[in-house]
Amino acid sequence: DGGITQSPKYLFRKEGQNVTLSCEQNLNHDAMYWYRQDPGQGLRLIYYSQIVNDFQKGDIAEGYSVSREKKESFPLTVTSAQKNPTAFYLCASKTAGGPDTQYFGPGTRLTVL
Amino acid sequence: KQEVTQIPAALSVPEGENLVLNCSFTDSAIYNLQWFRQDPGKGLTSLLLIQSSQREQTSGRLNASLDKSSGRSTLYIAASQPGDSATYLCAVTFIIQGAQKLVFGQGTRLTINP
Repeated sequence: DGGITQSPKYLFRKEGQNVTLSCEQNLNHDAMYWYRQDPGQGLRLIYYSQIVNDFQKGDIAEGYSVSREKKESFPLTVTSAQKNPTAFYLCASKTAGGPDTQYFGPGTRLTVL
Repeated sequence: KQEVTQIPAALSVPEGENLVLNCSFTDSAIYNLQWFRQDPGKGLTSLLLIQSSQREQTSGRLNASLDKSSGRSTLYIAASQPGDSATYLCAVTFIIQGAQKLVFGQGTRLTINP
């Protein structure tokens, strides 16, 4: 089955720790995205990547880092510099350019203890 | 600044009613507009995508319209069912200096009462 997987589904972090959220896709999509969703709000773009070994900051990149070493994978690290990391994180992918929609993973809920 | 607004934030209707969800956006230079569905604690599922050159798209009981000149889109749901209960998100791909940027509305949480 083609799709996007995110792991883990739930993640708990102590203050001061870095954590990495996994996003994998087997749709052969070039572009991948990370969004953050807070209650009652729309999605906000953290980082995106149009091609392997290249990525750009989105609207709220501070306190986050990413890598894109493989086409299939786009992990997101939430660093200790992110002051309010508790949120629902969504990964998406699409073909580069063109009119296609983004396909979303099931999300990871991160809670800071 | 490109913004997408959805009103109301929440809507509750009896089963069987036809209903309309609203989306407004601030800039007519758009590439496309999409409606997504999100179930609690889940990812987003694309429902309909309307290209900037189109006026509407239909899928089953869903019909989405686009009026770029007024910066508005509506999602019409016919004969609503309890299974339609979810949050519906509108997202607009704006064209900014030749690049595309996807901006989401806050969503409308829809509850269909049996």
